[in-house]
Amino acid sequence: AQRVTQPEKLLSVFKGAPVELKCNYSYSGSPELFWYVQYSRQRLQLLLRHISRESIKGFTADLNKGETSFHLKKPFAQEEDSAMYYCALQTSGSRLTFGEGTQLTVNP
Amino acid sequence: DAMVIQNPRYQVTQFGKPVTLSCSQTLNHNVMYWYQQKSSQAPKLLFHYYDKDFNNEADTPDNFQSRRPNTSFCFLDIRSPGLGDAAMYLCATSRGGSGRGRETQYFGPGTRLLVL
Repeated sequence: AQRVTQPEKLLSVFKGAPVELKCNYSYSGSPELFWYVQYSRQRLQLLLRHISRESIKGFTADLNKGETSFHLKKPFAQEEDSAMYYCALQTSGSRLTFGEGTQLTVNP
Repeated sequence: DAMVIQNPRYQVTQFGKPVTLSCSQTLNHNVMYWYQQKSSQAPKLLFHYYDKDFNNEADTPDNFQSRRPNTSFCFLDIRSPGLGDAAMYLCATSRGGSGRGRETQYFGPGTRLLVL
């Protein structure tokens, strides 16, 4: 069965510091991975997709099939990055399996 | 703005009293999803519609049903809510099909259900 693990429920960094949100997955098929973000009082929204290999708001994520990881990184965190971040794995039929999320707080 | 709308934002019901949550979309997407999210937990997929085809998750209780009368609307019916059904219910849509970006899910703001 598929599973997504985000080991840190809470992560706190200072503004300007690098940040890495960890995500590991378990899936027997070819994985499609996503990061979704939820800012305070806003709806859940897509941040980035691994297949796009893009950088959104300074965030990047690389799929490492050997380590079954899809960690989200940003070299210099900003206060507006404070939010709940969910890693998600797409399986058959457009289904998404979410991790439990990491609450990121960027302190001034 | 084209979007996913959920009403109401907060719903209070009594133990055992049927309740319906509503979702509408102006994106003209083929796929609509219902997720349950309990406090400090991941959103959990209950079921989804691809057009009119209903896809139930294996572990979704029979107490939860869904209807999609047309492309724009989808309803979540809880036949006999229990205390354990108190949660945030999220509706989402996606275009469906293959191709870049078609699987991106767009979420509504959620309906928080309280069971007394």
